Amino acid sequence: QKEVEQDPGPLSVPEGAIVSLNCTYSNSAFQYFMWYRQYSRKGPELLMYTYSSGNKEDGRFTAQVDKSSKYISLFIRDSQPSDSATYLCAMSPNFGNEKLTFGTGTRLTIIP
Amino acid sequence: GAVVSQHPSWVICKSGTSVKIECRSLDFQATTMFWYRQFPKQSLMLMATSNEGSKATYEQGVEKDKFLINHASLTLSTLTVTSAHPEDSSFYICSAQRTGSGYTFGSGTRLTVV
Repeated sequence: QKEVEQDPGPLSVPEGAIVSLNCTYSNSAFQYFMWYRQYSRKGPELLMYTYSSGNKEDGRFTAQVDKSSKYISLFIRDSQPSDSATYLCAMSPNFGNEKLTFGTGTRLTIIP
Repeated sequence: GAVVSQHPSWVICKSGTSVKIECRSLDFQATTMFWYRQFPKQSLMLMATSNEGSKATYEQGVEKDKFLINHASLTLSTLTVTSAHPEDSSFYICSAQRTGSGYTFGSGTRLTVV
């Protein structure tokens, strides 16, 4: 079993829809949870990070962490064609001091 | 802030030659840099972790003599793929850690070995 599981998709939704992306994990030591966006042939860029359980909102993006279920989510509201990318979840026991464990990434396409 | 420059963005080389990829943190000092490899439609696989002034720590299964990592300063790390073969063709990405601020990734290098 992989430490981090993520549905690879692809996921296609119409413009304006709410997108839900999810990851599950098995390592209870993970405390920091990150979402990265990666455009084709580019490096990942950090969208959001959260610590422990709870929600965090940044504009159209909301990250949720449920440590009891070992389940994290990223919601994108009012999705735009420019949101089309691969979204990777990543996590680590500590922030900035240890290597990240990545999910496989979900390819998202927003259809105009 | 927190910009990481990776160069070159793409390279084609002949089988048997060596290729060097540079990763620079432009506006901060990176205590730790990471090198990843990514195959098409797959996630990032950590190859090695490098700290300035010390030997890199390689992940299991990564040949340290083939993938030479040098972290000569707090702003520069290099990955050299030695005696490259077609199976080494991949997308290589570095990331730099800024103390207390997480990880910033470079834009990646697409290596094609012919």
